Amino acid sequence: DSGVTQTPKHLITATGQRVTLRCSPRSGDLSVYWYQQSLDQGLQFLIQYYNGEERAKGNILERFSAQQFPDLHSELNLSSLELGDSALYFCASSLERESGIDTQYFGPGTRLTVL
Amino acid sequence: AQKITQTQPGMFVQEKEAVTLDCTYDTSDPSYGLFWYKQPSSGEMIFLIYQGSYDQQNATEGRYSLNFQKARKSANLVISASQLGDSAMYFCAMREPLSGGYQKVTFGTGTKLQVIP
Repeated sequence: DSGVTQTPKHLITATGQRVTLRCSPRSGDLSVYWYQQSLDQGLQFLIQYYNGEERAKGNILERFSAQQFPDLHSELNLSSLELGDSALYFCASSLERESGIDTQYFGPGTRLTVL
Repeated sequence: AQKITQTQPGMFVQEKEAVTLDCTYDTSDPSYGLFWYKQPSSGEMIFLIYQGSYDQQNATEGRYSLNFQKARKSANLVISASQLGDSAMYFCAMREPLSGGYQKVTFGTGTKLQVIP
């Protein structure tokens, strides 16, 4: 168990709908990363939050948004869902010290199926 | 250019044998970290081992060791005494510190390892 929790584990929805994925980082970790893993595109970095603020953006679509709350949990919102959004969505957390390199620990993932 | 390259899309190994999964990386920063993750068919990403760029010795964690060759920019994962439960996808990743305390992370495309009984 990595200490990172994600809910729900599975999500099945229809095209055009909106869903929210939730992540709680490991105790003490300030940074949360979101990734999308699909069969054809591998592991894609979406966005990173650090202590409540957006730190970096990757290949995140405009239909997707995220936020990190004061208690450091994070939510990834996916709207106007398309079939191609079906994927495994991971949250990862790390301490993110000013100096040094920190290990990133992954949650179990949320498997999203868009029908 | 690819920052992390895993050239073996798939590999087979006999149970109880050792196997090496290749990873090469590209960075101009002297400070970086290299990681290996395992993703079994159940989907979770499991952290296996970490090697810092300044570490003098190769990292080891149980049956996992990282063959770090800095001049060649390679960080191969060695799994000794393979077990059936080692069958999984393995990802190599690199973290580099950027300005402002941000650590950028890059993942390779993965190697699918199958252990044969």
